[in-house]
Parts: sequence; C-alpha cells; structure tokens
Amino acid sequence: NAGVTQTPKFQVLKTGQSMTLQCAQDMNHNSMYWYRQDPGMGLRLIYYSASEGTTDKGEVPNGYNVSRLNKREFSLRLESAAPSQTSVYFCASSATQGGYGYTFGSGTRLTVV
Amino acid sequence: KQEVTQIPAALSVPEGENLVLNCSFTDSAIYNLQWFRQDPGKGLTSLLLIQSSQREQTSGRLNASLDKSSGRSTLYIAASQPGDSATYLCAGVDDKIIFGKGTRLHILP
Repeated sequence: NAGVTQTPKFQVLKTGQSMTLQCAQDMNHNSMYWYRQDPGMGLRLIYYSASEGTTDKGEVPNGYNVSRLNKREFSLRLESAAPSQTSVYFCASSATQGGYGYTFGSGTRLTVV
Repeated sequence: KQEVTQIPAALSVPEGENLVLNCSFTDSAIYNLQWFRQDPGKGLTSLLLIQSSQREQTSGRLNASLDKSSGRSTLYIAASQPGDSATYLCAGVDDKIIFGKGTRLHILP
C-alpha cells in the first residue's frame, strides 16, 4: 500500500545512546516532515525538508539532526538521547510544501530511560 | 506565527446525535485546512482536506467547512456512532502544517 513507512515502531534507549528513526514514502512527494507528539502539547514540528537536498528547523529542533537521503527517505537522528525525548515520533510527507494535504506514518514510540 | 485552537478539548454525546467540532486559526493566509482522526496509540488518518479556494468538503457523514476571513473551520459529524470515538485534529497548512491540540470525542452507546 502506498504511504509513509516508519521504522522502528517501538524503541527503548538508555540516556546517552544514539539512534536513527527511518522514514520512507512511495508517493513521489517532494516535502517530508518529522513531528513529535506529547500529552498536552499536541504535535510539534521538529525538522522538515521542503524538497530533496534541503532541510530546515521546525519548532523543537534541539537534540535532533536529520538527513534527506533521497526523495523517498528522511531520517531523524538522536545523537545523545535524553529522557525529555521520550515521545511518539511521526513522519509525514506532502506533494509540495503547503499543498494537497499531508500523509502520516504510523509513528515510533520512543522511551528514553 | 500560525496558531490553531480547537474547542472543546473533550466532548461526550449520545449515539445518533449530530455534532460540530470547532477549529480557529490566527493567520488567514493558509493554503488549506486539513482534518485528521487519531485513535488511541495510533497514527493520524486524514479525513478531509479543504483547499483555500474551497468552502467545504464532504465525505460520507462528515462535512468540513472553511471560512478564511473569520479564521474558522468546523467539522460536522452526522448521526454519530460509537466507532466515531477518537481524537479529531485540525491543521492549518501554509509552508508548514500547524496542528491544534485536538478534540477528544466520546460517543456514548
């Protein structure tokens, strides 16, 4: 099925460990996004990539890095995980920045202990 | 900076009733407005997308309207069912998508 695929679905890290969340879309979308969702805070934008080869900071970028590997893939890296990064992470894509709606992946539930 | 507000934060209604969820946004220069549904522990499912040139969209028992001049959108659910219980998120789209915090809807059997 066409859509946005995120891996892994669940992850537990120890404080200070690093990891990369993977995201891939097969809809030929130009723009991709990473969000985190926390109780009471809603969905907040971490980083986005308006097109292949570009990335920009969102609302809460500190502690994260991203790579737009190619048009299909957009990864999110935590270099040194902290308990404050415990959250559910969603990847999304859209055909163009601001246009034609967004499609979301099913999320990665990350716990940092 | 775009801000999206959803009222109420939570709503419980008996099965079969019609209901309206409200969404307001501060910047009328949005490209479009998108409504999502999120079930507990799950991802976001797109329900309706209203582009800036449109005033409403319909899908089955759902109807969403958009009034850019007043900065408001509504999601109308007709003949509610227990399966409609979920969190409904409104999102304003310009160069990024900005979400409201959602309305938790509970349909009472």
